[in-house]
Amino acid sequence: DAGVIQSPRHEVTEMGQEVTLRCKPISGHDYLFWYRQTMMRGLELLIYFNNNVPIDDSGMPEDRFSAKMPNASFSTLKIQPSEPRDSAVYFCASSPGQGINQPQHFGDGTRLSIL
Amino acid sequence: AQSVTQPDIHITVSEGASLELRCNYSYGATPYLFWYVQSPGQGLQLLLKYFSGDTLVQGIKGFEAEFKRSQSSFNLRKPSVHWSDAAEYFCAVAPASNTGKLIFGQGTTLQVKP
Repeated sequence: DAGVIQSPRHEVTEMGQEVTLRCKPISGHDYLFWYRQTMMRGLELLIYFNNNVPIDDSGMPEDRFSAKMPNASFSTLKIQPSEPRDSAVYFCASSPGQGINQPQHFGDGTRLSIL
Repeated sequence: AQSVTQPDIHITVSEGASLELRCNYSYGATPYLFWYVQSPGQGLQLLLKYFSGDTLVQGIKGFEAEFKRSQSSFNLRKPSVHWSDAAEYFCAVAPASNTGKLIFGQGTTLQVKP
């Protein structure tokens, strides 16, 4: 299996621009997670989906952030408008089913820099 | 609220030496605990997990971890470190058994000296 695929790997853009991060989970995985990693705050869960439905978005920092999962093989995390404090590495992960016994498989992340 | 603390931000060991990375958790019920490793430029990979039963769990790449309820700890160990073990290590706790949601510690960066 190809694993979780994220694109782009790196994104540099100017403040105020819209940013869209993409994720393709492992085929057959029912859960999808979006994380943000920064030096100051470590690894934070932003939102997760089960069968394409958002279950918990309590980690989404503010209204500028939105996430969608239109089908089982694709999810996006969008920031509009972007700000320098959004600079971070964003990870997508998927897992094959409900419960902690189903390990999360992580993508290689998108390194986002907002100038 | 559940939390995970990794007291050591950065650790350096010599190749061939033993390793112990510390992890303390705060959780009222039986914790579900994990260790992940992150190599530079890559995502996290699961090393091992503890749910119940034997308090000493074995993982991949020669790692093991011991759950100690009395100390609220889940320390990661390896008898002999290899240069390829240089990476960042994250301890995590699952606050509920039915969601897969994880809370991560701040991470410990391991440097291996030749």
